[in-house]
Amino acid sequence: AQSVTQPDIHITVSEGASLELRCNYSYGATPYLFWYVQSPGQGLQLLLKYFSGDTLVQGIKGFEAEFKRSQSSFNLRKPSVHWSDAAEYFCAVGVYFGNEKLTFGTGTRLTIIP
Amino acid sequence: ETGVTQTPRHLVMGMTNKKSLKCEQHLGHNAMYWYKQSAKKPLELMFVYSLEERVENNSVPSRFSPECPNSSHLFLHLHTLQPEDSALYLCASSQDQTAANYGYTFGSGTRLTVV
Repeated sequence: AQSVTQPDIHITVSEGASLELRCNYSYGATPYLFWYVQSPGQGLQLLLKYFSGDTLVQGIKGFEAEFKRSQSSFNLRKPSVHWSDAAEYFCAVGVYFGNEKLTFGTGTRLTIIP
Repeated sequence: ETGVTQTPRHLVMGMTNKKSLKCEQHLGHNAMYWYKQSAKKPLELMFVYSLEERVENNSVPSRFSPECPNSSHLFLHLHTLQPEDSALYLCASSQDQTAANYGYTFGSGTRLTVV
């Protein structure tokens, strides 16, 4: 079965600094990969997704993620964070065949300091 | 507006009460999901409905009873809950059951507190 690991429970960065959130997956074939963001008291919003093709994908709010097959990773990046980026971020993996559903990581909470 | 609406946003209920959570989507999606989100735990998939038919039930206690009367509406009926059932309950929908292709659209959730 597929699984997702987000090794960082909590990350703090200064406003304007760059950001990288880590995500590692376990799956026997090329997975479908997603990043979601959840603001306090809200549901999850899709930031970006990777299906195939270019391994660097662009998303909303200035985020991007890079799929690295050799490292089984799909890290999320942003060159300059804004205070409004403070939220919880979830990586998810989906399988292509069978009873498709998404498996989510445990999330990374992002705190932005002035 | 996310396209998936959940009501109520907050619910406090006693352990002997019966209540229902409602989820509504007008995205033309054919699959709907209930997830439970507890602190410091991964999202737990509870139920999956595809074309109004339940296709997955992840060993959820019988005090949670889902209902999908049509492809736009999903309910979660609650009765005799326990304090450990307090959590954020999220509804999601996807174009069809091949969710991997499209991802999910989530509602804002119902924050449930059992007292």
